Amino acid sequence: AQTVTQSQPEMSVQEAETVTLSCTYDTSESDYYLFWYKQPPSRQMILVIRQEAYKQQNATENRFSVNFQKAAKSFSLKISDSQLGDAAMYFCAYGAGAGSYQLTFGKGTKLSVIP
Amino acid sequence: NAGVTQTPKFRILKIGQSMTLQCAQDMNHNYMYWYRQDPGMGLKLIYYSVGAGITDKGEVPNGYNVSRSTTEDFPLRLELAAPSQTSVYFCASSPYRASGNSPLHFGNGTRLTVT
Repeated sequence: AQTVTQSQPEMSVQEAETVTLSCTYDTSESDYYLFWYKQPPSRQMILVIRQEAYKQQNATENRFSVNFQKAAKSFSLKISDSQLGDAAMYFCAYGAGAGSYQLTFGKGTKLSVIP
Repeated sequence: NAGVTQTPKFRILKIGQSMTLQCAQDMNHNYMYWYRQDPGMGLKLIYYSVGAGITDKGEVPNGYNVSRSTTEDFPLRLELAAPSQTSVYFCASSPYRASGNSPLHFGNGTRLTVT
């Protein structure tokens, strides 16, 4: 079974600084997708960024980028120029490429942004 | 667009009571899902549906039932509520398989407490 591990239960960052959230996963599949979801205090789950395993290029979305290391099974999220609105729980998630309807989520990292 | 709408937002049940969590989406998505989020944990899949009339179990289906009579609606039924079902419940939808290149659209969740 696939597992997703987020080893940092909580992190903090100064406003305007950069922070990196870690995620590792375990799979025997070669085709899969990885996601970062944000959950602010409003509770809604919002997709931040996604990465296809077959793509070597790291995904970027404005201030958010990932460092995808397929051999190491690592998928970290970098947030640049942190803003107060970035404060939230961040969940890393894994989805198999075929034959599965389920996303496997990590336990989350709570990010605080210090003004 | 309303997206995915869940009702109620909060509910307190006594042990042994039953209730239905409602979920509706207006995006004409074929795939719909129910997840639960326990404190300090990631989301776990309860049930999913690939279209009207078709449902299947996820990772943690015990104690729940679902039906999908229309594309729009995917209610989750709790029979004989137990304290272990205290959780936040999320409904989600996607146009294609969630495990593929198809992001989940989440509702705002229902916080359920069973005492």
